[in-house]
Amino acid sequence: DADVTQTPRNRITKTGKRIMLECSQTKGHDRMYWYRQDPGLGLRLIYYSFDVKDINKGEISDGYSVSRQAQAKFSLSLESAIPNQTALYFCATSDPTQGAGETQYFGPGTRLLVL
Amino acid sequence: AQKITQTQPGMFVQEKEAVTLDCTYDTSDQSYGLFWYKQPSSGEMIFLIYQGSYDEQNATEGRYSLNFQKARKSANLVISASQLGDSAMYFCAMRERTAGGTSYGKLTFGQGTILTVHP
Repeated sequence: DADVTQTPRNRITKTGKRIMLECSQTKGHDRMYWYRQDPGLGLRLIYYSFDVKDINKGEISDGYSVSRQAQAKFSLSLESAIPNQTALYFCATSDPTQGAGETQYFGPGTRLLVL
Repeated sequence: AQKITQTQPGMFVQEKEAVTLDCTYDTSDQSYGLFWYKQPSSGEMIFLIYQGSYDEQNATEGRYSLNFQKARKSANLVISASQLGDSAMYFCAMRERTAGGTSYGKLTFGQGTILTVHP
């Protein structure tokens, strides 16, 4: 079974709808992240959480919110979806005890299309 | 200024040959980590290799090696004996310490290089 899972894997929604993307991990990592990927722009950080009580905005948090329900679960919500939020969304986890070598492990991604 | 720069939008290589993917970085920190990830057409992000700024040896993982030139601030990925399955997007990333200098923060990614391996 995959260590980092994301649901749904694909989602089509309409402008103005609220949607939630979910991420679960079995790696036991404290840190979790949400990224979006747009063609030609690489990965951009939306939100990150260094533990259950520590949630921080990334570089592109406007229009998004998150919830860290437990160490293993980190959800991303689009409050009112708009077409330019169409992208590939990744969840990732990492173990801070690795220091500079702290590697992020990614989920399989969620492809979101906002019409 | 860009923290991570990958100047090659696309690269082509013949099967079984070696290829180098370029990555330069910008940091004033002395302690940092450099990473390479592979993204096949299926979309997942696969960790390939890590290099620490204090590591004296270049990192190697199977057919992947990292040509680390600290003074030039470059961390190029070398793939030896290319295979058709190496065709993918490759991302370079860096982790620096947080502003307080007490812990390591987020990863910053480059824009990626698309590698195509020809038979």
